[in-house]
Amino acid sequence: ELQLVQSGPEVKKPGESLRISCKGSGYSFTSYWITWVRQMPGKGLEWMGRIGRSDSYTTYSPSFQGHVSMSTDKSSSTAYLQWSSLRASDTAMYYCARHVEDAYYGMDVWGQGTTVTVSS
Amino acid sequence: DIVLTQSPGTLSLSPGERATLSCRASQSVSSTSLVWYQQKAGQAPRLLIYGIFSRATGTPDRFSGSGSGTDFTLTINNVEPEDFAVYYCQQCSDSQWTFGQGTKVEIK
Repeated sequence: ELQLVQSGPEVKKPGESLRISCKGSGYSFTSYWITWVRQMPGKGLEWMGRIGRSDSYTTYSPSFQGHVSMSTDKSSSTAYLQWSSLRASDTAMYYCARHVEDAYYGMDVWGQGTTVTVSS
Repeated sequence: DIVLTQSPGTLSLSPGERATLSCRASQSVSSTSLVWYQQKAGQAPRLLIYGIFSRATGTPDRFSGSGSGTDFTLTINNVEPEDFAVYYCQQCSDSQWTFGQGTKVEIK
């Protein structure tokens, strides 16, 4: 089955590190890019960045550059989103979505989302 | 970065009516790099329209996209009960992608 399955909900304290995952199945993972999207409680969608066929093919939104890092493990068809030091303002739902390099086609498969709660 | 402004913020309609959602860009969106997504409460977004005009797999033909340059429209003819949701436009025109803030289509 064609799908992206994300890791489960996380509850962390400010300053802690975190890595969430997004595992693709039912398609050729290396033929697609992965974009990460944040949705804060009750708010809209925010584009965080995308990662392509290798970790060097990564573009971050200025709003997230330096605070998160994206990576992939092609051998396990998994993409990761990582924080080294969480803030309370990172509390949100995070989605991964796949797309081809030509953005014209949009993001056609989405993960179910990972809820991250950061609270002291 | 290209800023996308969607209007109205909320659209109150009765089933069977037509919905017209606007997405205006702060600068011209090149080529056909404008996409629409639908998000229902508690669900992940779903691709609705890509390349301004093209319906994604599974999108009913009552949904249509139009526009060019800086002004884009999503039209829903004969709104069905399952269409009540939030709709987002997204541009992929330059290296920094952005979403609009969303339009909520609610039952009147």
